Amino acid sequence: TQLLEQSPQFLSIQEGENLTVYCNSSSVFSSLQWYRQEPGEGPVLLVTVVTGGEVKKLKRLTFQFGDARKDSSLHITAAQPGDTGLYLCALMTGTASKLTFGTGTRLQVTL
Amino acid sequence: DAGVTQSPTHLIKTRGQQVTLRCSPISGHKSVSWYQQVLGQGPQFIFQYYEKEERGRGNFPDRFSARQFPNYSSELNVNALLLGDSALYLCASSLVPDYSNQPQHFGDGTRLSIL
Repeated sequence: TQLLEQSPQFLSIQEGENLTVYCNSSSVFSSLQWYRQEPGEGPVLLVTVVTGGEVKKLKRLTFQFGDARKDSSLHITAAQPGDTGLYLCALMTGTASKLTFGTGTRLQVTL
Repeated sequence: DAGVTQSPTHLIKTRGQQVTLRCSPISGHKSVSWYQQVLGQGPQFIFQYYEKEERGRGNFPDRFSARQFPNYSSELNVNALLLGDSALYLCASSLVPDYSNQPQHFGDGTRLSIL
């Protein structure tokens, strides 16, 4: 079973700060998704990364897929309170078409 | 358009009871998946159904079962409830079961508490 480890587990920062969260696996993965889950809601897909070394940007969020396809990072610039939530990375297993989620990073952004 | 809807939103049961959770996918979506999210962890895959047939099953005991109806809605049943079954149960739908090309849309979940 391929496991995804996310770090840090918790992060509390002030508005305007930058931050990076990480998603790591001991195995190579073909593609990876990032989700954000706000309290009381289901996860919402942010991005899918497929190619090693790929960088994708979504407004103040920058997603990177490692060259070796074993890690990924999410960088947030000038964090805002609306960025508060649980950030999850997830693998898609093609044949079973299921998602395997990481352990999650809980982000709190305060004024 | 309505998103994935789940009912009920909250439920309290006691050990040994049985529970049925319901999910209505986005209109036109034929694939439904169920996930269990224990507090402080990421969701864990339970089942996937497509065209009323089970297409995938996670590492959960036989107390967990599900089905999909002709209108593509789905039910998740859990028998002989244990304290450890307390969790947020999420339903997700997509057009087809291959998530590599089709995004998966999650509902807001059913919060199940076992006393």
